[in-house]
Amino acid sequence: DTEVTQTPKHLVMGMTNKKSLKCEQHMGHRAMYWYKQKAKKPPELMFVYSYEKLSINESVPSRFSPECPNSSLLNLHLHALQPEDSALYLCASSQGQGEVRNEQFFGPGTRLTVL
Amino acid sequence: QKEVEQNSGPLSVPEGAIASLNCTYSDRGSQSFFWYRQYSGKSPELIMSIYSNGDKEDGRFTAQLNKASQYVSLLIRDSQPSDSATYLCAVKRPGGFKTIFGAGTRLFVKA
Repeated sequence: DTEVTQTPKHLVMGMTNKKSLKCEQHMGHRAMYWYKQKAKKPPELMFVYSYEKLSINESVPSRFSPECPNSSLLNLHLHALQPEDSALYLCASSQGQGEVRNEQFFGPGTRLTVL
Repeated sequence: QKEVEQNSGPLSVPEGAIASLNCTYSDRGSQSFFWYRQYSGKSPELIMSIYSNGDKEDGRFTAQLNKASQYVSLLIRDSQPSDSATYLCAVKRPGGFKTIFGAGTRLFVKA
């Protein structure tokens, strides 16, 4: 059973819209991740937050803006997206920094379509 | 050379057979290895993690790690049609958070 939840499940937006994806974890983890996954490709890391601080930004375009309000919540703000940004957006969490046993648990994802 | 390599498949096995999935990695310092199962349209689900050389068994799944040869494998015994999915091998880089995913192997179990 996943204890990482994501909303919405599906999102359709125009290129001029502003929207947000939300993620919440109930596992007491201190690291949270955003991944992007295109069809038939592996997940691609976008951002990592550790103890509510941005730890990794994989050179993601500024039209994607992450936010970590607290250790359980992670948001991804979207603005002026392009059709090629259409993908499955996955949130994950893990115990914390420096852990060898850094098992990541994924939420169900948000299927994003940009028109 | 890709950091994590898997045969994309598809790998087709009959029901009840053993499915063997393989993965190689390039960073010799890697310490943490994971197998995820992903059904079409769903998110990855962690099914096995392994950290030391040898075998680790969990139900019908066995993960095998050989750090000297830089490969990790997943055996699925008594394969079922419900095991049909893409299996992602993931390797965590030493230090930090970044986990590198292989491209995945598609497995089909024929009833």
